[in-house]
Amino acid sequence: GDSVVQTEGQVLPSEGDSLIVNCSYETTQYPSLFWYVQYPGEGPQLHLKAMKANDKGRNKGFEAMYRKETTSFHLEKDSVQESDSAVYFCALSDGGSTLGRLYFGRGTQLTVWP
Amino acid sequence: ETGVTQTPRHLVMGMTNKKSLKCEQHLGHNAMYWYKQSAKKPLELMFVYNFKEQTENNSVPSRFSPECPNSSHLFLHLHTLQPEDSALYLCASSQRLAGGYEQYFGPGTRLTVT
Repeated sequence: GDSVVQTEGQVLPSEGDSLIVNCSYETTQYPSLFWYVQYPGEGPQLHLKAMKANDKGRNKGFEAMYRKETTSFHLEKDSVQESDSAVYFCALSDGGSTLGRLYFGRGTQLTVWP
Repeated sequence: ETGVTQTPRHLVMGMTNKKSLKCEQHLGHNAMYWYKQSAKKPLELMFVYNFKEQTENNSVPSRFSPECPNSSHLFLHLHTLQPEDSALYLCASSQRLAGGYEQYFGPGTRLTVT
């Protein structure tokens, strides 16, 4: 079945550090890939997305490249800021499905030290 | 109001109580979802509705009863809950029930069962 595995637990960079949060997926179909971000007291919100292989999603200095050959969608940023602190979820949606189900990873807590 | 709204934001209920959670989406979407988010666990899809018809019940106990009177409103009726049902309950909507469409989440209802 479809699944997503991402960096688990906490990531604790300092402000200005570079960041990579790993995301790998499994599917037999043609997924769309997403990163969602959740701030305290809020629901998850779409952060960036890529609809097909070799697409790159971008938002607020974050990037993620849809790599079909390695089945990965790692979230990267050159220089993190304290305001980036949140929980990040990688997710996939089966592009050929009529069910619209999103498969989420377990989430990565990003805490950026000032 | 814009986006997806949920009421109440916080709810404390005893195991013998009956309560309802309400969700409203102002996006003109056709699909709506209920999720459960517990600490240390991945997001759990509970129910899916498409054009107010239930299309998925993800093995949810009968003490949770969803209702979708129209494409804009979704309810989750709760009765005789257990302490382990304490969690953040998130409502989401998407334009269509098909792969590739992102979901828009509400802020959630924080439920505590005593």
